[in-house]
Amino acid sequence: DAGVIQSPRHEVTEMGQEVTLRCKPISGHDYLFWYRQTMMRGLELLIYFNNNVPIDDSGMPEDRFSAKMPNASFSTLKIQPSEPRDSAVYFCASSFDGNYEQYFGPGTRLTVT
Amino acid sequence: QQQVKQSPQSLIVQKGGISIINCAYENTAFDYFPWYQQFPGKGPALLIAIRPDVSEKKEGRFTISFNKSAKQFSLHIMDSQPGDSATYFCAASTDSGGGADGLTFGKGTHLIIQP
Repeated sequence: DAGVIQSPRHEVTEMGQEVTLRCKPISGHDYLFWYRQTMMRGLELLIYFNNNVPIDDSGMPEDRFSAKMPNASFSTLKIQPSEPRDSAVYFCASSFDGNYEQYFGPGTRLTVT
Repeated sequence: QQQVKQSPQSLIVQKGGISIINCAYENTAFDYFPWYQQFPGKGPALLIAIRPDVSEKKEGRFTISFNKSAKQFSLHIMDSQPGDSATYFCAASTDSGGGADGLTFGKGTHLIIQP
């Protein structure tokens, strides 16, 4: 298996622009997690899905952030409008029901100028 | 409120020595405690994990020690090698009823193994 796939790997955008991050979980996994990593706050859970349904979005920082999972093999995290403080590395991870092990993707490094 | 506290922030160990990283948690509902290893530019990779029904788990050179009453757990790396130089994160999660909830991470420990 190719593991969790994220795109793009790097994104540079200007403040106010819309940003869309993409994730393809490992085939057969039915849990999908979005995390954000910054120097100041470390690794934080943003939202997670089970069988494409959002279960806990309490970590989403504000209404500018939204996430969707239209099918079992694809998820997006959207920021609109983006702000410089959104600059971070965003990770997607997946696991399957009954197993706690989460497998992380390589991340998307977002820079908002 | 930081639910998982990790120490030290950074650690330098000589090759062949033992690296020890400690974590403490507050939420008694946590029932899964993994350790992740992260190299620069990469995503975190699961290293080893433990459930609270055992006090120790060993996989190769890596050992987790778990103290439920003290709400503490630690990672021991025996015979530390330069290739172990990375950032290590402890984490914890609860049981959502079928799989784990999202992970709550410690702030990380930057480990350097000197040759």
